[in-house]
Amino acid sequence: DVKVTQSSRYLVKRTGEKVFLECVQDMDHENMFWYRQDPGLGLRLIYFSYDVKMKEKGDIPEGYSVSREKKERFSLILESASTNQTSMYLCASSFGWIGTSGGAWTYNEQFFGPGTRLTVL
Amino acid sequence: GQSLEQPSEVTAVEGAIVQINCTYQTSGFYGLSWYQQHDGGAPTFLSYNALDGLEETGRFSSFLSRSDSYGYLLLQELQMKDSASYFCAGRFKAAGNKLTFGGGTRVLVKP
Repeated sequence: DVKVTQSSRYLVKRTGEKVFLECVQDMDHENMFWYRQDPGLGLRLIYFSYDVKMKEKGDIPEGYSVSREKKERFSLILESASTNQTSMYLCASSFGWIGTSGGAWTYNEQFFGPGTRLTVL
Repeated sequence: GQSLEQPSEVTAVEGAIVQINCTYQTSGFYGLSWYQQHDGGAPTFLSYNALDGLEETGRFSSFLSRSDSYGYLLLQELQMKDSASYFCAGRFKAAGNKLTFGGGTRVLVKP
C-alpha cells in the first residue's frame, strides 16, 4: 500500500514561531504537494515539487516555503506563523512529471497523508 | 484561474441515491476527478473522467459532459459509511499533474 505520513497530527504554535511540517512517502513518487484545507474552500495548493530540489508555487504560497532534499521527503515551513495560518495541512504525492502530463487520459492519482491540524495562538 | 463549483451539503436517507454536481471553467480542461474524505481522514481517490459519459465503479458512478462543462458523482444505495465530504478536482492542460479542487460537498446519510 502507498503510504504518505506526516510528522504530526496536531500542532499548537505561537504567533511568530517558525514551524516545520514534514511529509514522507514510500512509493518513489516524483510529485509531492502541500495543501491547506479550510471549511468551504476545499483544498488549496500551497507549493508542489516535481523532483528533488525543484519546487513551484501553488495558488497560496505567501507566508510559506518548502524544501525537498530527498525524493521521499517534502517539508513545509512557516517562517513566522500567524493566526491566519491556523488550518489543516495535507501532503500528497503522485507519479508523473509536472508539465509532461501525457494528455487528458493520463491521470496520476494523488495519495494523501492524514493531515496536520495546526493551531497558531 | 480555474475554479470548480459544487453544493456545500446534501442530506439523504440510507438506500437513497445522491447526485453531486460539479461545474467548471472550460479553458484548457483535461478531466475531472473525485475524492472522498471522511471526517478526520485523508482524501482518497474515487474516479477520473476525461471523456464524456458515465464511469461506473460499484455503487459509485461518475459522469462528465464536456459540452456542458459539468460532471457529477452518483452515489447509489446509500450506506451510513458514505457520510463524508466529496471533492471534485479538475485537471487543466496548463497545470500538468496539478489539480484544482472544488469546495467540497458534505454528504450526510440518515437512517
